[in-house]
Amino acid sequence: AQKITQTQPGMFVQEKEAVTLDCTYDTSDPSYGLFWYKQPSSGEMIFLIYQGSYDQQNATEGRYSLNFQKARKSANLVISASQLGDSAMYFCAMRLTSRGTYKYIFGTGTRLKVLA
Amino acid sequence: SQTIHQWPATLVQPVGSPLSLECTVEGTSNPNLYWYRQAAGRGLQLLFYSVGIGQISSEVPQNLSASRPQDRQFILSSKKLLLSDSGFYLCAWSVQGAVETQYFGPGTRLLVL
Repeated sequence: AQKITQTQPGMFVQEKEAVTLDCTYDTSDPSYGLFWYKQPSSGEMIFLIYQGSYDQQNATEGRYSLNFQKARKSANLVISASQLGDSAMYFCAMRLTSRGTYKYIFGTGTRLKVLA
Repeated sequence: SQTIHQWPATLVQPVGSPLSLECTVEGTSNPNLYWYRQAAGRGLQLLFYSVGIGQISSEVPQNLSASRPQDRQFILSSKKLLLSDSGFYLCAWSVQGAVETQYFGPGTRLLVL
């Protein structure tokens, strides 16, 4: 079965600390992409970071990094130096190829609260 | 630069009434287009995707339908809304053939009473 699992419904982190949000995925396709999105209370989905299945290096974008462990099928998001504005829902997603186009599967999300 | 618009932002409709949500993309050509629904406190469920004008694929059977009358326009419709249709509807686009991300619109909050 193709799915994304986020086991942490909610997380707290102290401001300026680092936090890791867990994501595991399941697919037998050799080619796939992994994404993290941030959804603030306003509702829009904001793209954070992308990792391709063939990428050798872990992706990084500013304070965001993706800890990609292919053998374990995990793609955890690490946020360094947390800020109050990081408080939001975070979704892990997987892109697969289906019938000549892409298909996206999302996890159920993790709600992060940054404490002052 | 590319932008994606959705309207209306919020909608309250009675059960049994029709629905039409519109999504338009600017600044790109021949995008893949997607409709998602997010129930309160839940993840995203893919409803429809389209790779071109008039080409619609449905992921989940339901009383909703989608159409793509123009390259950058994607419409979500229903003839008769159900209570279970309430949720947050997000439209997204991605570049055809590229190995990159989806970009989401601001969403429409639908409440069916």
